[in-house]
Amino acid sequence: AQSVTQLDSHVSVSEGTPVLLRCNYSSSYSPSLFWYVQHPNKGLQLLLKYTSAATLVKGINGFEAEFKKSETSFHLTKPSAHMSDAAEYFCVVTSGGFKTIFGAGTRLFVKA
Amino acid sequence: KAGVTQTPRYLIKTRGQQVTLSCSPISGHRSVSWYQQTPGQGLQFLFEYFSETQRNKGNFPGRFSGRQFSNSRSEMNVSTLELGDSALYLCASSLTSASGSLSYNEQFFGPGTRLTVL
Repeated sequence: AQSVTQLDSHVSVSEGTPVLLRCNYSSSYSPSLFWYVQHPNKGLQLLLKYTSAATLVKGINGFEAEFKKSETSFHLTKPSAHMSDAAEYFCVVTSGGFKTIFGAGTRLFVKA
Repeated sequence: KAGVTQTPRYLIKTRGQQVTLSCSPISGHRSVSWYQQTPGQGLQFLFEYFSETQRNKGNFPGRFSGRQFSNSRSEMNVSTLELGDSALYLCASSLTSASGSLSYNEQFFGPGTRLTVL
């Protein structure tokens, strides 16, 4: 069985401060993990993915995530938030085949 | 290269009716997946098609069905609509092989079809 838990439904940061969006997963197989972003009235866009290569994964727009097997975590970070980062972020796990499980999402607010 | 397109973008139906949604994947992508997004349940996997065959399906009732054509375009059908079927339906395409899975390939999402059931 597999599951993914996003620990915060909402995160609010000030522009220029670090961003941390937390994700824990559970998987019976070696997982592949993804972070997607969804801006209002737009489709989902891939930020980054982990597929058993380097544990620190760099994505687009300055985001990165670290796969920690011992903690079953895949937290998303960015050193300095920008107003354009305000969106909903989804942690996604796939393993053992073709089923994809999305986390509940974390809405990121960025204050000026 | 054109992205994933979904038609129609918005749809209003009444309970008991049926609806068909269409998805055109990115050229060359043979895998198409469908998702339902609602405020209460979030994003849920409906099914995935590859080369006109359903490879996997989520936990949805039989009222939800789909198919894929030889050109990889896919349709999703919902019969006997219920109020709870109101949602954003997202389609995603992926470049994956017959033996591959979604595990390693990015999924490219369309803008979705907003279905409202009255």
